[in-house]
Amino acid sequence: EAQVTQNPRYLITVTGKKLTVTCSQNMNHEYMSWYRQDPGLGLRQIYYSMNVEVTDKGDVPEGYKVSRKEKRNFPLILESPSPNQTSLYFCASSFGRLADTDTQYFGPGTRLTVL
Amino acid sequence: ELKVEQNPLFLSMQEGKNYTIYCNYSTTSDRLYWYRQDPGKSLESLFVLLSNGAVKQEGRLMASLDTKARLSTLHITAAVHDLSATYFCAARSGTYKYIFGTGTRLKVLA
Repeated sequence: EAQVTQNPRYLITVTGKKLTVTCSQNMNHEYMSWYRQDPGLGLRQIYYSMNVEVTDKGDVPEGYKVSRKEKRNFPLILESPSPNQTSLYFCASSFGRLADTDTQYFGPGTRLTVL
Repeated sequence: ELKVEQNPLFLSMQEGKNYTIYCNYSTTSDRLYWYRQDPGKSLESLFVLLSNGAVKQEGRLMASLDTKARLSTLHITAAVHDLSATYFCAARSGTYKYIFGTGTRLKVLA
């Protein structure tokens, strides 16, 4: 089954404790991206990757890191989480080409609470 | 800088009625997306609109794009309860950045 998976789905942590949220896709997509969803703000893009070893900042990159060492994986790293990073996080992927039907496929989401 | 505005933010409508959700974007974008999100779930792609005058339909939902007005609409025809969800539009900035609207929470009442 074609899908984007994220782990963990739920995480409660404390301020300053480094954490990683994993994202993996099995569709051979070139493009992957991370978003956070907050009430009243919609989705905001954190980082994206156009291909292996190629990443760039979205609109809200502060406090986050990413890496793309393999095509299928795109982990999101919070080196020192703070309470304002409490949010619902989505990973997404797409072919990243100009095809009419190209659209992003979203993972199930990770609900993160930072105390 | 590309900005995307959706309205209304909340929409409560009776079954069988028609309504339209509006999505305005501030600068040129080469494609416009519509997504649906059910409560507690992920986002599901509905439509991708590429060119001026593009119209796509799926069941009771029809999306259109007017690039000159920088406006996309999602029209709901004869709403049914199953359409209750949050709908997001998103515009692409350049090739790889995506800007989402704040979403429209739709509730269809029986």
